[in-house]
Amino acid sequence: AQKITQTQPGMFVQEKEAVTLDCTYDTSDPSYGLFWYKQPSSGEMIFLIYQGSYDQQNATEGRYSLNFQKARKSANLVISASQLGDSAMYFCAMRESHSGYALNFGKGTSLLVTP
Amino acid sequence: DAGVIQSPRHEVTEMGQEVTLRCKPISGHDYLFWYRQTMMRGLELLIYFNNNVPIDDSGMPEDRFSAKMPNASFSTLKIQPSEPRDSAVYFCASSLASGVTYEQYFGPGTRLTVT
Repeated sequence: AQKITQTQPGMFVQEKEAVTLDCTYDTSDPSYGLFWYKQPSSGEMIFLIYQGSYDQQNATEGRYSLNFQKARKSANLVISASQLGDSAMYFCAMRESHSGYALNFGKGTSLLVTP
Repeated sequence: DAGVIQSPRHEVTEMGQEVTLRCKPISGHDYLFWYRQTMMRGLELLIYFNNNVPIDDSGMPEDRFSAKMPNASFSTLKIQPSEPRDSAVYFCASSLASGVTYEQYFGPGTRLTVT
């Protein structure tokens, strides 16, 4: 069964607008971590933000924030004030404590920021 | 810091040939991961090491794939014999277990094409 689901294969947003990329996850492990990575067209994977299952506050890193809704098992990435350079693939991933340090990745969402 | 280094960046080989991919993790990191990315299957974990010891190789497709980590600063992923379906981007990543988030830092990837 898919552990990470990203239902939006592609998204468009206008420059300077905010955009939300969806991610839902499936785990029975009480201790887990959720990650978002960005993959620009150049191919490298860039770590953006992390949310631990026990964290009380939603994680924020600059223009990135994570809308963590534990009961709904969702961890949506919010990018504020979009920039042209934000155009990329975005991957949600989960690490479960029982499976060590391996990451399970979703299929990704392609984001295009338009002028 | 130099980041995770992978070589070669591109490899084109003929079916049946041996292919060796190389990775140098970030100095001081104690976990090393090998992933494969394809359009059909997304990002898949192949194997990971902790302190040079393989911990989980359940993602290795078949016996044609092998990985080694002879020391803390070097790992190889070998495919012998290679097949066209092995064509993919292979990523190496490393992380530090003493951190809070255990985020993985990815190398630039090796794009493998088997003809």
